[in-house]
Amino acid sequence: DAKTTQPPSMDCAEGRAANLPCNHSTISGNEYVYWYRQIHSQGPQYIIHGLKNNETNEMASLIITEDRKSSTLILPHATLRDTAVYYCIVRVNTNAGKSTFGDGTTLTVKP
Amino acid sequence: EAQVTQNPRYLITVTGKKLTVTCSQNMNHEYMSWYRQDPGLGLRQIYYSMNVEVTDKGDVPEGYKVSRKEKRNFPLILESPSPNQTSLYFCASRYGQSYGYTFGSGTRLTVV
Repeated sequence: DAKTTQPPSMDCAEGRAANLPCNHSTISGNEYVYWYRQIHSQGPQYIIHGLKNNETNEMASLIITEDRKSSTLILPHATLRDTAVYYCIVRVNTNAGKSTFGDGTTLTVKP
Repeated sequence: EAQVTQNPRYLITVTGKKLTVTCSQNMNHEYMSWYRQDPGLGLRQIYYSMNVEVTDKGDVPEGYKVSRKEKRNFPLILESPSPNQTSLYFCASRYGQSYGYTFGSGTRLTVV
């Protein structure tokens, strides 16, 4: 699976959009981009995933660049409860159960 | 409620005393996995399972065993725990290849 690079930390004002970047320049054509978050020491929570088209669900939007070498997770109206570590992962959907988590970005939403 | 249930939530044990951490999911998921999380090392995959009786090693399988005799259960076995296995452990499951994992609440294990 391709390696990902994320900034270690980011701040965001409450009510504003949080844009979390992820670089995956070695991504292969059949690798998907997945995003999870972990609040304190709770179990990670799946947010969204995509291959090449932009995706949106009730939690967030995922924007993948045309060359697929980077992506951005957007939380449209961040709240204090969105403070968490956000992980970007790339994996092949045929690769059984293997999913490797990197260091993630610690997002702090401030009032 | 759809969930992954791990037991126990907290466990303190002594070196060499065999233990099992149970994991059960009620969502009929095919894939299950175990992770450990340590400060500075992030989440590392221990073992995963693609279906009943089908398991494979993750990134850090040494010192652990797993079994998948039933679809819903995926216990993690430490035959002879050592202090370097002190960690926060998470079990996870997912429906199929193109789905995200649902994680349990974690088991904090201390080996003294």
